[in-house]
Amino acid sequence: AQSVTQLDSHVSVSEGTPVLLRCNYSSSYSPSLFWYVQHPNKGLQLLLKYTSAATLVKGINGFEAEFKKSETSFHLTKPSAHMSDAAEYFCVVSELTGGGNKLTFGTGTQLKVEL
Amino acid sequence: DTGVSQDPRHKITKRGQNVTFRCDPISEHNRLYWYRQTLGQGPEFLTYFQNEAQLEKSRLLSDRFSAERPKGSFSTLEIQRTEQGDSAMYLCASSLEIGGEKLFFGSGTQLSVL
Repeated sequence: AQSVTQLDSHVSVSEGTPVLLRCNYSSSYSPSLFWYVQHPNKGLQLLLKYTSAATLVKGINGFEAEFKKSETSFHLTKPSAHMSDAAEYFCVVSELTGGGNKLTFGTGTQLKVEL
Repeated sequence: DTGVSQDPRHKITKRGQNVTFRCDPISEHNRLYWYRQTLGQGPEFLTYFQNEAQLEKSRLLSDRFSAERPKGSFSTLEIQRTEQGDSAMYLCASSLEIGGEKLFFGSGTQLSVL
């Protein structure tokens, strides 16, 4: 079974400083990996996805993630945090099953952005 | 708004009562998913429909849970004889069959069982 592990449950950064949210995956074959963001009282939103086309993936709102097979990692980064980035972030692995795409979520990283 | 909508946003019920939630997916999406999210955890897969056919159910979905998508459009999730452990956020998502890895989520129904 595929799984993801988010290494930090909480991350706190100052506005304007870089963001790093860490994720390691476990998969027996080449995985499809995603980052989703959840703002309070809003639905989960796809930030970016990796599906083997390129190891560096750019997403919305200036986020990007790099797939590193040797390290089984898919860390999310942003050069400069903004107050509006404060939210919960989920690393996700997708598994094809019965014709559908079953997503397995990590436990989430709460990002706090301080002035 | 043409996103995924869920109703109600919040539901408070007493243990032993039945509850039903509704999900309206994006109109052209033929795939519909239900997930459950408890505090401090990521969402967990419950079940999946392609059109009106329920193609997969998680072992998390006990016999007290039933989901339907009768006409391949909206879906309902019913929980019978609710227990306190059912308290969670129930999330619905939909996607197209082509490019189906991108799921669009609703805001969820928060269930509290007293």
